[in-house]
Amino acid sequence: AQTVTQSQPEMSVQEAETVTLSCTYDTSENNYYLFWYKQPPSRQMILVIRQEAYKQQNATENRFSVNFQKAAKSFSLKISDSQLGDTAMYFCAFVPYGGATNKLIFGTGTLLAVQP
Amino acid sequence: EPEVTQTPSHQVTQMGQEVILRCVPISNHLYFYWYRQILGQKVEFLVSFYNNEISEKSEIFDDQFSVERPDGSNFTLKIRSTKLEDSAMYFCASKLLGSGGTYEQYFGPGTRLTVT
Repeated sequence: AQTVTQSQPEMSVQEAETVTLSCTYDTSENNYYLFWYKQPPSRQMILVIRQEAYKQQNATENRFSVNFQKAAKSFSLKISDSQLGDTAMYFCAFVPYGGATNKLIFGTGTLLAVQP
Repeated sequence: EPEVTQTPSHQVTQMGQEVILRCVPISNHLYFYWYRQILGQKVEFLVSFYNNEISEKSEIFDDQFSVERPDGSNFTLKIRSTKLEDSAMYFCASKLLGSGGTYEQYFGPGTRLTVT
């Protein structure tokens, strides 16, 4: 079975500091995609960043970057220069390459609070 | 920028009543999904829909649930006889391409269903 684990239910960071959210996954697939979604209090699901498993280079989107370790099945999210608007629930998600539906498999989420 | 829309934003219904949740996916997308998030829990896959038929459904998606794309633009989720445990946020998502293409799913803002 494919699973996604986020071991940090809650985290806190000071404004302008850097924080890293952890995610591990379990799969026998070799090709897949990984995502981080942000869910602010409005509960909208917003895509933050994506990583293709076949790419060795870690994805970066402005202040957001990932540390993708394929052998370790680890996919952490680093948020630099944290802002108050980053306060949200963050979900790690996995989808295998190929297949009929490509449903997203989500972790349980990490609630990030950015403190002023 | 095109976006997925959902109506209503909040629906309150009595146990045993039927509800229809509506979604308008992004216009050129081909794959459609419903996910559910019970308050405080992770996002769970319900069903995927492609080429006017269900391509995959989870064990949650029992006979009380159905989906339809009645007019080429709307994508609906019907719950025939709601139960208290159906109270959740329901997200619609759509995706442009299948295998070999982008795996990014775009989420709507969600419909909060409250069953009393």
